[in-house]
Parts: sequence; structure tokens; C-alpha cells
Amino acid sequence: AQKVTQAQTEISVVEKEDVTLDCVYETRDTTYYLFWYKQPPSGELVFLIRRNSFDEQNEISGRYSWNFQKSTSSFNFTITASQVVDSAVYFCALIGGAAGNKLTFGGGTRVLVKP
Amino acid sequence: GAVVSQHPSWVICKSGTSVKIECRSLDFQATTMFWYRQFPKQSLMLMATSNEGSKATYEQGVEKDKFLINHASLTLSTLTVTSAHPEDSSFYICSAAQGFGEQYFGPGTRLTVT
Repeated sequence: AQKVTQAQTEISVVEKEDVTLDCVYETRDTTYYLFWYKQPPSGELVFLIRRNSFDEQNEISGRYSWNFQKSTSSFNFTITASQVVDSAVYFCALIGGAAGNKLTFGGGTRVLVKP
Repeated sequence: GAVVSQHPSWVICKSGTSVKIECRSLDFQATTMFWYRQFPKQSLMLMATSNEGSKATYEQGVEKDKFLINHASLTLSTLTVTSAHPEDSSFYICSAAQGFGEQYFGPGTRLTVT
């Protein structure tokens, strides 16, 4: 069975602070994909990144960066110099080979960036 | 990127009535569509997976006779909530995929049952 755990339910920061969202996953598949999505108050899911299990390189995209560590089954997400527009719920998700393309979502972390 | 639409974006209905939600892939053919439900402050929960031309596969605990899913074409899937009750009020999100490719999400439909 697959499982994604986001231990932080809510994080509150002041604008310009960095914030790191934790994601720990469980899967028996050797081939899998990890995702991060942003869900702003409007409700629409915004795709942020996809990482396959064979690519452990960290990635940076603007103020966003991701740290993938297979040894600890973690795929953490950092927002640098946070802005009010970053306020949203962020979901980590997993697709494992045995589950076809069914996404397993974590519980989500609500980020509140205060001005 | 691929675009998925949902209609309506919100709907209010009376208890006991049925509501149909449409999910369309606008610029690609979706062999698989997924339906999720999200209650306030909770994560997305997969309700069912539908493949074009075949019956939907429902997740454990989801009543297939209450949530009717039809995937009649490669660009359209519909979810009908039959005999809706207030506890069915939720945010319903669909996604579409080509084979085992990435899922593209619709904007969601907010259902309120009074």
C-alpha cells in the first residue's frame, strides 16, 4: 500500500521568511513518481513539480526548491523569501507503478504568509 | 499544458434531487479520468477511476449507485450525484490522463445540498 504523510498541518510565517514543507512517503514500488501541488483559496490544483524515483537531483525553480532523498523516503519542498501570494494548501502526492496512475495524496499543509 | 474543464463550477440543489457534473479534456484525449472529493480542510480522496468505454472502478466505501460515473468519450466524463443529501456537499474535482501519463486537474465543482 502507498502512503504519503505531511506531518505539518499548518505553517504560519511572516513575509520574506523561508518555509519548508515536509513530505514522507511509503511505497513498495521501485518505480514511482512524486508530485507537489498548490491549492490556492480558489480550489484549483496547480501542478508544481514531478520527480521520478530514479532522479534524486534536487531542483530549483525560482523561489521554489525540492529536496528528494530516497534514503529517508522524503521529498521536501522549500519556499524561499515567501510572499503573501504563496498562502495556500500544498499537497505532496505519489504514483507507484503497481497502482497504475492512481495518485495518493498527503493530508496537505496549509501555509499562511503574513505581510 | 493540457486543459481540463468542469461544469458547473458551483451548484446548489435541494435534498433528494440529482446533480450532474461534467469533466472535459479540452485539448487532448483522456483515456482515464479520475473523480475526487474534498471536504473542507481535508485532502483529496479518490472516489473512482473511469476508463473510456468501460465501467468505472470505485474506491472502497464509495457507493457506485449513488455516484454514477459515465465516461462516454475520450474527452468527457460525468459524475451524477443521485438523491443528494446535505452530507454530499463537498468540492468535487476531476482529473484526466492519457494512459499512464500525468494527471491534469479540473478547477473543481462546489456542491451544496440544502
